[in-house]
Amino acid sequence: NAGVTQTPKFQVLKTGQSMTLQCAQDMNHEYMSWYRQDPGMGLRLIHYSVGAGITDQGEVPNGYNVSRSTTEDFPLRLLSAAPSQTSVYFCASSYFLAGAQETQYFGPGTRLLVL
Amino acid sequence: GQQLNQSPQSMFIQEGEDVSMNCTSSSIFNTWLWYKQDPGEGPVLLIALYKAGELTSNGRLTAQFGITRKDSFLNISASIPSDVGIYFCAGQGGTSYGKLTFGQGTILTVHP
Repeated sequence: NAGVTQTPKFQVLKTGQSMTLQCAQDMNHEYMSWYRQDPGMGLRLIHYSVGAGITDQGEVPNGYNVSRSTTEDFPLRLLSAAPSQTSVYFCASSYFLAGAQETQYFGPGTRLLVL
Repeated sequence: GQQLNQSPQSMFIQEGEDVSMNCTSSSIFNTWLWYKQDPGEGPVLLIALYKAGELTSNGRLTAQFGITRKDSFLNISASIPSDVGIYFCAGQGGTSYGKLTFGQGTILTVHP
């Protein structure tokens, strides 16, 4: 059971380039989320998904696209990278128990530098 | 949107001391989660709280879900050097499943 995995671990992009950050989980969790972490700002939600085929925007969605074709995978796409997207990106998955009980588990992160 | 205020922002303590940090929210949460993040790693779940008033322990860590459902605290007793890291609170409210709101984090430094 690998939990939540993310690739790549590090990436350097030039402004305007596109790329996809990969995220996969093997825990059969319904919910998956993408966060970015910037110094002094904690983690901010980019996009999230409550199941295959269903996605929604979080707090900072601009410049990012997501899709959820399977329960296991939740890729994050940057269509035209900007320096403001330099950050550490975390993917998380969670399960939901009866009575509004949710627990999220995080991947190791992808460190992105946009020049 | 929901706001979480976490305090203190940083703490410098001696090994063996107890630590306390807290989070307050502008709205009600159904779930409070406490995470620890080591440098270069993702957040690791320490304690999950699901009911108002709930007090839960995990070794030297104790956390409580506030009665008003708008606050939570985390205590670490008898700190050790490996407690160093960033501690985050996170809350989930209403029907916002899959969405967590995070506090800004508390940076803990423990001097041997």
